[in-house]
Amino acid sequence: ETGVTQTPRHLVMGMTNKKSLKCEQHLGHNAMYWYKQSAKKPLELMFVYNFKEQTENNSVPSRFSPECPNSSHLFLHLHTLQPEDSALYLCASSQEAGGGTDTQYFGPGTRLTVL
Amino acid sequence: GQNIDQPTEMTATEGAIVQINCTYQTSGFNGLFWYQQHAGEAPTFLSYNVLDGLEEKGRFSSFLSRSKGYSYLLLKELQMKDSASYLCAVRDSNYQLIWGAGTKLIIKP
Repeated sequence: ETGVTQTPRHLVMGMTNKKSLKCEQHLGHNAMYWYKQSAKKPLELMFVYNFKEQTENNSVPSRFSPECPNSSHLFLHLHTLQPEDSALYLCASSQEAGGGTDTQYFGPGTRLTVL
Repeated sequence: GQNIDQPTEMTATEGAIVQINCTYQTSGFNGLFWYQQHAGEAPTFLSYNVLDGLEEKGRFSSFLSRSKGYSYLLLKELQMKDSASYLCAVRDSNYQLIWGAGTKLIIKP
């Protein structure tokens, strides 16, 4: 399954580092999402982009900064993270955010560890 | 607040049938989704219900009762590869997905 790809798959960073997560979708979708998945917790929606415009920011700390240069690519820029930010970060895409039977398709995630 | 409840973990035997329940309390309802997630992998879409009743897809079926705020995922003829987490999600009146914490299903030979 290569519809939604994410790089890197694993990332270890210190609290003072700056890194970026990348997501690319090959499904011709117009909406892209960032989620945080922590063990035994529900998926937490972080950001939504619909037709390249950010439509949701669910009270995410400013140390996470999204970027969506076009409908196929989504980035999550990370800086001065905390150990509690360690989690699986999932990217998803869908035809159009909020539309009809809109179904989200996920990438494999980036496993982030903050030391 | 909005809430999705599903059991944390279930165990079943290869070849058997298992039913994973999901109850929800959300502000509005615009559909319910089930996803499967193998360890270390992406969640993959299994089913979507928006009307009451049973939707069947091969070995997997999903049921919805909107009046009861209840859904279940039924897996038949269980195979070892069905060992995974199963995520229930409801789309609310704002078309946001509200997610459950997932049910880890363990299949034993």
